[in-house]
Amino acid sequence: NAGVTQTPKFQVLKTGQSMTLQCAQDMNHEYMSWYRQDPGMGLRLIHYSVGAGITDQGEVPNGYNVSRSTTEDFPLRLLSAAPSQTSVYFCASREQGNSPLHFGNGTRLTVT
Amino acid sequence: ILNVEQSPQSLHVQEGDSTNFTCSFPSSNFYALHWYRWETAKSPEALFVMTLNGDEKKKGRISATLNTKEGYSYLYIKGSQPEDSATYLCASASGNYGQNFVFGPGTRLSVLP
Repeated sequence: NAGVTQTPKFQVLKTGQSMTLQCAQDMNHEYMSWYRQDPGMGLRLIHYSVGAGITDQGEVPNGYNVSRSTTEDFPLRLLSAAPSQTSVYFCASREQGNSPLHFGNGTRLTVT
Repeated sequence: ILNVEQSPQSLHVQEGDSTNFTCSFPSSNFYALHWYRWETAKSPEALFVMTLNGDEKKKGRISATLNTKEGYSYLYIKGSQPEDSATYLCASASGNYGQNFVFGPGTRLSVLP
């Protein structure tokens, strides 16, 4: 049982480049979400999805797009990377209701 | 976005000491309060999910309480061990299905042998 898998683990981009951070889970969780973690700050919610075909914005959605075509996958797209998007990104999923989040191992992104 | 606060920011204790941390959160539109343990170079792992006012949960030497009316939760560690060293995060879940998470900045605990 792999849980939540994020790829890549590390990525360096130049300003203006685009890329997609991948997140997949094999637990049949309806809820999936993306967070960024910056020094001195808590995890901040970027986007979330409560099921295939449904997405919504979190606290810091600007500069990021998401889609949810299947239950398993929830990719995060940066259309035009900016240095302010340098961060560690975590994907998390959970069952519906009062269940805990299961986190992936994170992607460290540097934008130069 | 209403803030979730945690105190203290960091804590150093001796092995065997008991300790506690505080998480304060907005009580409006409350759905659940989560606690996570985050070790360096790993991902956060769930400790507790609490929903009801007065809830108390326990896992081994770690326990937590919840007061939804005044918007705070306490996490207690009894007889701290070096392996308890980690950052402890709380998160407030709000919205109709608890889908909107706001995390606190965490309390970093170091347990000295």
